[in-house]
Amino acid sequence: GAGVSQSPSNKVTEKGKDVELRCDPISGHTALYWYRQSLGQGLEFLIYFQGNSAPDKSGLPSDRFSAERTGGSVSTLTIQRTQQEDSAVYLCASSLRPGVGGPQETQYFGPGTRLLVL
Amino acid sequence: LAKTTQPISMDSYEGQEVNITCSHNNIATNDYITWYQQFPSQGPRFIIQGYKTKVTNEVASLFIPADRKSSTLSLPRVSLSDTAVYYCLVPGNAGNMLTFGGGTRLMVKP
Repeated sequence: GAGVSQSPSNKVTEKGKDVELRCDPISGHTALYWYRQSLGQGLEFLIYFQGNSAPDKSGLPSDRFSAERTGGSVSTLTIQRTQQEDSAVYLCASSLRPGVGGPQETQYFGPGTRLLVL
Repeated sequence: LAKTTQPISMDSYEGQEVNITCSHNNIATNDYITWYQQFPSQGPRFIIQGYKTKVTNEVASLFIPADRKSSTLSLPRVSLSDTAVYYCLVPGNAGNMLTFGGGTRLMVKP
């Protein structure tokens, strides 16, 4: 069906508030990734889900960040007690399968959520 | 962890061929090399992927020498709409995570 969708497209919040960002991957894609991109910078890997396996959280910058993926489909990235340095574009991507030791399955990216913490 | 190095920026003119080279000295035997394109306010988009020698699709060509420690993305006859950031990627750990570096910001001028 449609590509990866993310909501909200923009989010303005006050320092200290919690925010939830949503990602709807492409139907049938088993792998889901969250990245963060600060203004003018490259993408920073945050977390990766593959099927029902435990997520790879190695990229999460602090314990204020968490993510879950319900039913192997929709994912929510939660940032607690937001700080100004959390302001960035949060990108979600999905792929049919992960690439392990072979061709990397193409990652399809959503449009991102632009988060501004005041 | 395979790390990539590519120029921060490049300028070109419409109609020219653009070659962007990426270094990945620590690439693993099974790693493929993937290039993505990102326009402002959009997520990255897959361009091309290869393992060795040469790969060509409708958008670009990818040249990989025998030692695979570098790769060159070739964009034929660029247009203004090719202005974007181009990322060269190799797998991070166990191939499940792609590490995006800073990319190469290509500016195509009229």
